[in-house]
Amino acid sequence: SQTIHQWPATLVQPVGSPLSLECTVEGTSNPNLYWYRQAAGRGLQLLFYSVGIGQISSEVPQNLSASRPQDRQFILSSKKLLLSDSGFYLCAWSPTGNSPLHFGNGTRLTVT
Amino acid sequence: GESVGLHLPTLSVQEGDNSIINCAYSNSASDYFIWYKQESGKGPQFIIDIRSNMDKRQGQRVTVLLNKTVKHLSLQIAATQPGDSAVYFCAENPIDNFNKFYFGSGTKLNVKP
Repeated sequence: SQTIHQWPATLVQPVGSPLSLECTVEGTSNPNLYWYRQAAGRGLQLLFYSVGIGQISSEVPQNLSASRPQDRQFILSSKKLLLSDSGFYLCAWSPTGNSPLHFGNGTRLTVT
Repeated sequence: GESVGLHLPTLSVQEGDNSIINCAYSNSASDYFIWYKQESGKGPQFIIDIRSNMDKRQGQRVTVLLNKTVKHLSLQIAATQPGDSAVYFCAENPIDNFNKFYFGSGTKLNVKP
């Protein structure tokens, strides 16, 4: 069966520090991969998605970037965090487009 | 497109009653819809989906209704249980880019014992 792993579960970082969040999927190949952000009490905002290695589509211009160095690995990065980057970051995968997303358990990021 | 709410609307129901959670989607070109359940501190969990060639789909204790004329989606939960307490999101998948999903702002369901 397929599983998705996200780490760390929680993270507290100072303003101006770099960020790297990692997501890996097991049990499938060539999945679509997604990064979403969720502010407290709000819905999910699509940040990036990828349909293959090295292919990244950005939804919202911002302080973040994403990379897909391997088929089942998706990384969310920032060179310098802002206070507004705080939130709950969720990674998800789907076998193809137009099929359900399966989410990890998220990373709670607090920028201080 | 994508909509983000300023606060979560809340629905409170008595245990054993039926719950109806509503969602208005924004893109008339969306042709695939999913309901998710999110418990506190966890990622959203798939509940049920429906494609635009259907008006209704039933699962175990859940039913999704789709009204394309008014761009409205609803989730019905029968015999609501305390374990159903969570935030529920609808997600739409536009036909012009089936790799993307856009989420609604969510509804918090409180089940009173």
